[in-house]
Amino acid sequence: GAGVSQSPSNKVTEKGKDVELRCDPISGHTALYWYRQSLGQGLEFLIYFQGNSAPDKSGLPSDRFSAERTGGSVSTLTIQRTQQEDSAVYLCASSPDRGREQFFGPGTRLTVL
Amino acid sequence: KNEVEQSPQNLTAQEGEFITINCSYSVGISALHWLQQHPGGGIVSLFMLSSGKKKHGRLIATINIQEKHSSLHITASHPRDSAVYICAGGIDKLIFGTGTRLQVFP
Repeated sequence: GAGVSQSPSNKVTEKGKDVELRCDPISGHTALYWYRQSLGQGLEFLIYFQGNSAPDKSGLPSDRFSAERTGGSVSTLTIQRTQQEDSAVYLCASSPDRGREQFFGPGTRLTVL
Repeated sequence: KNEVEQSPQNLTAQEGEFITINCSYSVGISALHWLQQHPGGGIVSLFMLSSGKKKHGRLIATINIQEKHSSLHITASHPRDSAVYICAGGIDKLIFGTGTRLQVFP
């Protein structure tokens, strides 16, 4: 079956612009995660959705970052007023339920000029 | 503070060698994931374990809960095993190690 998909695969934007990154999880997976991978920081957790529960936003680095998950499926990560330090690969993962193996998408490479 | 430490950072091996990558984690972490990332590639989950040992093909993962330590073993290594191997602790909010870059030469 189809894996986790993310779009766009690459995004170049100018400092100060807003960007939206999309994640389509594996069908039926109730848990969805956002991570980012940057040269300086390695991999870090951003936000986690489980079913209809309130998301765990404890990893979001600033209030410029937000995410939503509509209908328990597709998720969008929004970064407002992008900064150069936001440049990273943003990874989405989904899981059949919390505490299970996570399946990663290919990532979106964000470059902020 | 929850932490995950991984060693070695870099590892080179000749084809056929037995490889071990180690991961130590702090109190509060109850599950350990092993992930693989090929150069320019995506991340693939290899194992998730909270006790004992798991095996898949030439890969074996073990975890010692008392010592808060996990190891990933690769038997009969092959150049296609060359990748970054990452351990990550946690049930949902993963805390990642810094990765081990493995290069296997023919």
